[in-house]
Amino acid sequence: EDKVVQSPLSLVVHEGDTVTLNCSYEVTNFRSLLWYKQEKKAPTFLFMLTSSGIEKKSGRLSSILDKKELSSILNITATQTGDSAIYLCAVRNISNYQLIWGAGTKLIIKP
Amino acid sequence: EAGVTQFPSHSVIEKGQTVTLRCDPISGHDNLYWYRRVMGKEIKFLLHFVKESKQDESGMPNNRFLAERTGGTYSTLKVQPAELEDSGVYFCASSQRTSGNEQFFGPGTRLTVL
Repeated sequence: EDKVVQSPLSLVVHEGDTVTLNCSYEVTNFRSLLWYKQEKKAPTFLFMLTSSGIEKKSGRLSSILDKKELSSILNITATQTGDSAIYLCAVRNISNYQLIWGAGTKLIIKP
Repeated sequence: EAGVTQFPSHSVIEKGQTVTLRCDPISGHDNLYWYRRVMGKEIKFLLHFVKESKQDESGMPNNRFLAERTGGTYSTLKVQPAELEDSGVYFCASSQRTSGNEQFFGPGTRLTVL
Protein backbone atom coordinates (compact mmCIF):
# COMPACT_ATOMS: atom_id res chain seq x y z
CA GLU A 1 0.00 0.00 0.00
CA ASP A 2 1.27 3.44 -0.91
CA LYS A 3 2.28 5.54 2.06
CA VAL A 4 3.95 8.81 2.97
CA VAL A 5 5.69 9.30 6.31
CA GLN A 6 6.71 12.66 7.72
CA SER A 7 9.06 13.38 10.57
CA PRO A 8 9.15 14.79 13.08
CA LEU A 9 5.46 14.91 13.96
CA SER A 10 6.01 18.19 15.74
CA LEU A 11 8.86 20.58 16.29
CA VAL A 12 9.28 23.61 18.53
CA VAL A 13 12.19 25.98 17.85
CA HIS A 14 13.06 29.60 18.47
CA GLU A 15 12.87 32.40 15.97
CA GLY A 16 15.99 32.54 13.85
CA ASP A 17 16.67 28.82 13.97
CA THR A 18 16.91 26.69 10.84
CA VAL A 19 14.68 23.65 10.56
CA THR A 20 14.63 20.61 8.31
CA LEU A 21 11.46 18.63 7.81
CA ASN A 22 11.52 15.15 6.34
CA CYS A 23 9.20 13.24 4.06
CA SER A 24 9.72 9.66 2.94
CA TYR A 25 7.47 7.69 0.64
CA GLU A 26 6.67 4.25 -0.66
CA VAL A 27 4.65 4.78 -3.79
CA THR A 28 4.42 2.69 -6.90
CA ASN A 29 5.09 4.60 -10.11
CA PHE A 30 6.09 7.86 -8.48
CA ARG A 31 5.17 11.00 -10.38
CA SER A 32 5.77 13.98 -8.11
CA LEU A 33 6.09 15.09 -4.50
CA LEU A 34 4.40 18.20 -3.21
CA TRP A 35 4.80 20.29 -0.08
CA TYR A 36 1.95 22.30 1.38
CA LYS A 37 1.71 24.69 4.33
CA GLN A 38 -1.46 24.63 6.39
CA GLU A 39 -2.02 27.46 8.83
CA LYS A 40 -5.59 27.90 9.89
CA LYS A 41 -7.61 26.49 7.08
CA ALA A 42 -6.69 25.66 3.50
CA PRO A 43 -3.37 23.99 2.69
CA THR A 44 -1.37 26.31 0.46
CA PHE A 45 1.02 25.02 -2.14
CA LEU A 46 4.76 25.45 -1.59
CA PHE A 47 6.70 23.23 -3.99
CA MET A 48 6.36 20.43 -6.48
CA LEU A 49 9.36 18.16 -7.03
CA THR A 50 9.74 15.66 -9.81
CA SER A 51 13.46 15.40 -10.44
CA SER A 52 16.07 14.19 -8.01
CA GLY A 53 18.75 16.58 -6.79
CA ILE A 54 17.26 19.81 -8.09
CA GLU A 55 16.59 22.28 -5.31
CA LYS A 56 13.48 24.41 -5.42
CA LYS A 57 13.72 27.67 -3.52
CA SER A 58 11.29 30.34 -2.43
CA GLY A 59 12.66 32.95 -0.07
CA ARG A 60 13.75 31.24 3.12
CA LEU A 61 12.19 27.95 2.10
CA SER A 62 13.85 25.32 -0.03
CA SER A 63 13.20 21.72 -0.86
CA ILE A 64 14.95 18.87 -2.61
CA LEU A 65 14.00 15.37 -3.70
CA ASP A 66 16.13 12.25 -3.44
CA LYS A 67 14.56 9.52 -5.56
CA LYS A 68 17.22 7.01 -4.58
CA GLU A 69 16.36 7.43 -0.91
CA LEU A 70 12.65 7.93 -1.67
CA SER A 71 12.58 11.07 0.38
CA SER A 72 12.46 14.82 0.38
CA ILE A 73 13.44 17.54 2.81
CA LEU A 74 11.98 20.98 3.37
CA ASN A 75 14.37 23.54 4.83
CA ILE A 76 13.36 26.78 6.46
CA THR A 77 16.17 29.15 7.39
CA ALA A 78 15.99 32.10 9.79
CA THR A 79 12.56 31.00 10.96
CA GLN A 80 9.91 33.54 11.93
CA THR A 81 6.80 33.17 14.05
CA GLY A 82 4.77 33.36 10.86
CA ASP A 83 6.32 30.08 9.76
CA SER A 84 4.35 28.29 12.47
CA ALA A 85 2.04 25.88 10.68
CA ILE A 86 1.50 22.27 9.77
CA TYR A 87 3.69 21.30 6.82
CA LEU A 88 2.18 18.59 4.69
CA CYS A 89 3.91 16.34 2.18
CA ALA A 90 1.94 14.57 -0.53
CA VAL A 91 2.93 12.24 -3.36
CA ARG A 92 1.21 11.61 -6.64
CA ASN A 93 1.68 8.48 -8.73
CA ILE A 94 1.49 8.16 -12.47
CA SER A 95 -1.60 6.00 -12.65
CA ASN A 96 -4.03 8.41 -11.05
CA TYR A 97 -4.24 11.95 -9.78
CA GLN A 98 -4.84 11.26 -6.15
CA LEU A 99 -2.56 12.86 -3.62
CA ILE A 100 -1.28 10.46 -0.95
CA TRP A 101 -0.65 12.49 2.16
CA GLY A 102 1.68 12.31 5.10
CA ALA A 103 0.38 13.10 8.57
CA GLY A 104 2.16 16.46 8.58
CA THR A 105 4.77 18.11 10.77
CA LYS A 106 3.48 20.69 13.22
CA LEU A 107 6.06 23.44 13.43
CA ILE A 108 5.92 25.99 16.23
CA ILE A 109 8.27 28.96 16.19
CA LYS A 110 8.70 30.68 19.55
CA PRO A 111 9.64 34.35 19.65
CA GLU B 1 -9.78 35.95 -8.26
CA ALA B 2 -11.88 34.05 -5.76
CA GLY B 3 -10.38 30.88 -4.39
CA VAL B 4 -12.06 27.58 -3.65
CA THR B 5 -14.93 28.07 -1.25
CA GLN B 6 -16.70 25.54 0.90
CA PHE B 7 -19.95 25.64 2.79
CA PRO B 8 -20.60 25.33 5.65
CA SER B 9 -17.48 25.97 7.70
CA HIS B 10 -18.63 23.70 10.45
CA SER B 11 -21.58 21.37 10.77
CA VAL B 12 -22.67 19.50 13.86
CA ILE B 13 -25.27 16.79 13.34
CA GLU B 14 -26.56 13.77 15.14
CA LYS B 15 -25.83 10.21 14.11
CA GLY B 16 -28.33 9.08 11.50
CA GLN B 17 -28.95 12.54 10.09
CA THR B 18 -28.04 13.72 6.63
CA VAL B 19 -25.54 16.43 5.79
CA THR B 20 -24.63 17.98 2.47
CA LEU B 21 -21.36 19.76 1.98
CA ARG B 22 -20.78 22.13 -0.89
CA CYS B 23 -17.66 23.11 -2.79
CA ASP B 24 -17.32 25.90 -5.32
CA PRO B 25 -14.07 25.48 -7.25
CA ILE B 26 -12.11 28.25 -8.88
CA SER B 27 -13.92 29.36 -12.00
CA GLY B 28 -12.65 27.53 -15.05
CA HIS B 29 -11.13 24.63 -13.15
CA ASP B 30 -12.35 21.38 -14.65
CA ASN B 31 -10.83 19.20 -11.95
CA LEU B 32 -12.38 18.99 -8.52
CA TYR B 33 -11.18 16.78 -5.69
CA TRP B 34 -12.62 15.85 -2.32
CA TYR B 35 -10.37 14.87 0.60
CA ARG B 36 -11.06 14.08 4.22
CA ARG B 37 -8.96 14.35 7.36
CA VAL B 38 -10.16 12.34 10.29
CA MET B 39 -8.87 13.48 13.68
CA GLY B 40 -5.30 12.37 14.26
CA LYS B 41 -4.88 10.83 10.83
CA GLU B 42 -3.54 11.99 7.51
CA ILE B 43 -5.60 13.54 4.74
CA LYS B 44 -7.19 10.90 2.53
CA PHE B 45 -8.39 11.18 -1.05
CA LEU B 46 -12.09 10.62 -1.59
CA LEU B 47 -12.78 11.30 -5.24
CA HIS B 48 -11.94 13.29 -8.35
CA PHE B 49 -14.25 14.92 -10.87
CA VAL B 50 -13.29 16.05 -14.33
CA LYS B 51 -16.06 18.45 -15.22
CA GLU B 52 -19.22 16.58 -14.29
CA SER B 53 -17.75 13.08 -14.58
CA LYS B 54 -16.33 11.03 -11.75
CA GLN B 55 -12.80 10.25 -12.82
CA ASP B 56 -11.81 8.34 -9.72
CA GLU B 57 -13.97 7.54 -6.73
CA SER B 58 -11.77 4.86 -5.26
CA GLY B 59 -11.42 6.72 -1.97
CA MET B 60 -15.10 6.95 -1.13
CA PRO B 61 -15.53 5.08 2.16
CA ASN B 62 -18.92 3.46 1.51
CA ASN B 63 -22.28 3.96 -0.13
CA ARG B 64 -23.42 6.41 2.53
CA PHE B 65 -21.36 9.01 0.67
CA LEU B 66 -22.68 10.50 -2.55
CA ALA B 67 -20.84 13.15 -4.53
CA GLU B 68 -22.29 15.07 -7.43
CA ARG B 69 -21.15 17.79 -9.75
CA THR B 70 -24.06 18.57 -12.00
CA GLY B 71 -23.13 20.93 -14.79
CA GLY B 72 -19.46 20.66 -13.96
CA THR B 73 -19.40 23.66 -11.67
CA TYR B 74 -19.93 23.30 -7.93
CA SER B 75 -19.96 19.94 -6.21
CA THR B 76 -21.87 18.51 -3.30
CA LEU B 77 -20.93 15.69 -0.99
CA LYS B 78 -23.84 14.14 0.87
CA VAL B 79 -23.48 11.81 3.81
CA GLN B 80 -26.63 9.82 4.54
CA PRO B 81 -27.01 8.56 7.20
CA ALA B 82 -24.06 10.04 9.04
CA GLU B 83 -22.10 7.90 11.47
CA LEU B 84 -19.76 8.91 14.28
CA GLU B 85 -16.67 7.91 12.29
CA ASP B 86 -17.59 10.36 9.54
CA SER B 87 -16.47 13.25 11.76
CA GLY B 88 -13.52 15.12 10.36
CA VAL B 89 -12.53 17.95 8.08
CA TYR B 90 -13.62 17.63 4.46
CA PHE B 91 -11.43 19.52 2.02
CA CYS B 92 -12.19 20.35 -1.55
CA ALA B 93 -9.53 21.27 -4.10
CA SER B 94 -9.57 22.25 -7.73
CA SER B 95 -7.05 22.41 -10.52
CA GLN B 96 -7.10 23.63 -14.06
CA ARG B 97 -5.37 20.68 -15.65
CA THR B 98 -5.47 17.11 -14.49
CA SER B 99 -1.74 16.83 -14.72
CA GLY B 100 -1.25 20.33 -13.37
CA ASN B 101 1.14 21.06 -10.59
CA GLU B 102 -1.09 22.61 -8.09
CA GLN B 103 -4.38 21.78 -6.50
CA PHE B 104 -5.90 24.81 -4.82
CA PHE B 105 -7.57 23.94 -1.57
CA GLY B 106 -10.65 25.32 0.09
CA PRO B 107 -10.77 26.07 3.82
CA GLY B 108 -12.52 22.80 4.58
CA THR B 109 -15.77 21.90 6.29
CA ARG B 110 -15.47 20.54 9.79
CA LEU B 111 -18.12 17.86 10.29
CA THR B 112 -18.93 16.70 13.77
CA VAL B 113 -21.30 13.77 14.17
CA LEU B 114 -22.63 13.32 17.69
